[in-house]
Amino acid sequence: QQQVKQSPQSLIVQKGGIPIINCAYENTAFDYFPWYQQFPGKGPALLIAIRPDVSEKKEGRFTISFNKSAKQFSLHIMDSQPGDSATYFCAASVQGGSEKLVFGKGTKLTVNP
Amino acid sequence: IAGITQAPTSQILAAGRRMTLRCTQDMRHNAMYWYRQDLGLGLRLIHYSNTAGTTGKGEVPDGYSVSRANTDDFPLTLASAVPSQTSVYFCASRKEDVYNTEAFFGQGTRLTVV
Repeated sequence: QQQVKQSPQSLIVQKGGIPIINCAYENTAFDYFPWYQQFPGKGPALLIAIRPDVSEKKEGRFTISFNKSAKQFSLHIMDSQPGDSATYFCAASVQGGSEKLVFGKGTKLTVNP
Repeated sequence: IAGITQAPTSQILAAGRRMTLRCTQDMRHNAMYWYRQDLGLGLRLIHYSNTAGTTGKGEVPDGYSVSRANTDDFPLTLASAVPSQTSVYFCASRKEDVYNTEAFFGQGTRLTVV
């Protein structure tokens, strides 16, 4: 059973557009929700993360929206740039616990000039 | 060394051969992980270790083994490689405490089993 479901699998937007990537989870014990960004040939790197005590977190052009009751969270990229083209993974885990980071299947984002 | 180092970067391996992928971290993180990444399947956990001396099975452990003799090293061994183990393998580490749960990834090992 996939613990974190991510959609869409791929996404193409024009420069300046606002791509949105969605994730849903089942385990209500999850309390840490990071997003990782991966460029071709590189390992994933933490982009932004949120805990369930807030509904939104912004870091630069990246925003996480979190809906605890729906068990959903999403990544929004404002004013997207070609350099944002990468694969994005959502993940979830239990803070400080032995629960491992569980990843979604990833979204390949292409931002056209 | 800064962060996590994986070796080799890539490898072509004959089916049936034994292979060890190396992973070393210098951040003194207690937890370490091995993931495999396949197109359309995302990152799947193979094995993990919460602390030196302990290991556990992830989502796809069959055909793989790990050891954690010390804090820094977490090698992944394929005892007898099969073509379905062709993948990109990522090692990661994490300081699991109540404040810091960011996972740091290596650059990956691209393994092709022929």
